[in-house]
Amino acid sequence: EDQVTQSPEALRLQEGESSSLNCSYTVSGLRGLFWYRQDPGKGPEFLFTLYSAGEEKEKERLKATLTKKESFLHITAPKPEDSATYLCAVQGPGYALNFGKGTSLLVTP
Amino acid sequence: EAGVVQSPRYKIIEKKQPVAFWCNPISGHNTLYWYRQNLGQGPELLIRYENEEAVDDSQLPKDRFSAERLKGVDSTLKIQPAELGDSAVYLCASSRGGSGSYTGELFFGEGSRLTVL
Repeated sequence: EDQVTQSPEALRLQEGESSSLNCSYTVSGLRGLFWYRQDPGKGPEFLFTLYSAGEEKEKERLKATLTKKESFLHITAPKPEDSATYLCAVQGPGYALNFGKGTSLLVTP
Repeated sequence: EAGVVQSPRYKIIEKKQPVAFWCNPISGHNTLYWYRQNLGQGPELLIRYENEEAVDDSQLPKDRFSAERLKGVDSTLKIQPAELGDSAVYLCASSRGGSGSYTGELFFGEGSRLTVL
């Protein structure tokens, strides 16, 4: 059975203080690993897809990386508007996305 | 381009009452998903449609939940009767491709928050 574990559950950063969020996964036959951002009261918003170990994707202050067992979402010099819950999801042989519980990020001025 | 539209945004009902949620996906998106998200959890897939066909409904509690996607466009998710444990946010999402071009890029609506008293 696919498992996705995200850590930490919550993270508080000062503006400009870089950090990383972790997503550990077990899946038989990874088709893709996905990162989404979710703001309070909103649906998740797609950020990245990673398909194979060693792959990296960047978008503004966010950079996602993938190994065979985990993915990291690096946040460089975060701003308050980066505050949100970040969700990781994996896709195995089927087409359903298996989401983790998310990391709630708060960036204070 | 209009996003995924869901209604109602909020619904409060007594247990054992029925409830229905409606979703209109992004125009041209063949694949439609219903997810349930409990507080502090990630979304869990209930059902996936490709056009009007339900291709994955293994996680849908079929004794009380039903869904339809007539004409392969908008969709309705129904719960009858509702139980206390059904309180959650029900998210609808859509994506462009079918099974052959799946990228994992889902476009979500804002969700329908259900409270069962």
